[in-house]
Amino acid sequence: QLQLQESGPGLVKPSETLSLTCTVSGGSISSSSYYWGWIRQPPGKGLEWIGSIYYSGSTYYNPSLKSRVTISVDTSKNQFSLKLSSVTAADTAVYYCARFNLGYCSGGSCYPGYMDVWGKGTTVTVSS
Amino acid sequence: AIRMTQSPSSFSASTGDRVTITCRASQGISSYLAWYQQKPGKAPKLLIYAASTLQSGVPSRFSGSGSGTDFTLTISCLQSEDFATYYCQQYYSYPSLTFGGGTKVEIK
Repeated sequence: QLQLQESGPGLVKPSETLSLTCTVSGGSISSSSYYWGWIRQPPGKGLEWIGSIYYSGSTYYNPSLKSRVTISVDTSKNQFSLKLSSVTAADTAVYYCARFNLGYCSGGSCYPGYMDVWGKGTTVTVSS
Repeated sequence: AIRMTQSPSSFSASTGDRVTITCRASQGISSYLAWYQQKPGKAPKLLIYAASTLQSGVPSRFSGSGSGTDFTLTISCLQSEDFATYYCQQYYSYPSLTFGGGTKVEIK
């Protein structure tokens, strides 16, 4: 049974970089059938897609966060990671990692779709 | 980016009720729509993808319909465990996946 587990600091200072890792167990991150990525949820608010990565390293980011986000994959460790730079209080949220099924396909490429397996989430607070 | 609008944002219902939640896309998304259920303190759970395909293990009282810009999630006979917040998500527009604002279903 596939499981995802987020890990990383729960407290980050303003202007610093938030770093989280998602460890995948019970399956391979190198599958060609899926993307892997991150979603966040500020306290009391809705869901926001952050970005997704394919095992080959291809990435897609939310345009509103693109200048601050880096997602990377380490297939040898079956992990992928999120870095969000220059954080502010607005980045305080529960951060989820998830497996993305392939969605819209065009010109021989398929893009991230819907999320069928989620981690439990980790709370990150930005505060000095 | 495609904007997803859910209605209502919240409502109260009783066990056994038939309930319908609506999701409207700001432009056509074919059938590239998923629905999720989220309970307090928990990660979202996939219910439906491709607008109307039930995810494995999800009770058949959940159903989805629609294409283009207008979609609905229906719960045919509300159970106590169904009181939660529901989100729609489009995956037609790349590279930007977007969610609706959520619909909270509360106990009447």
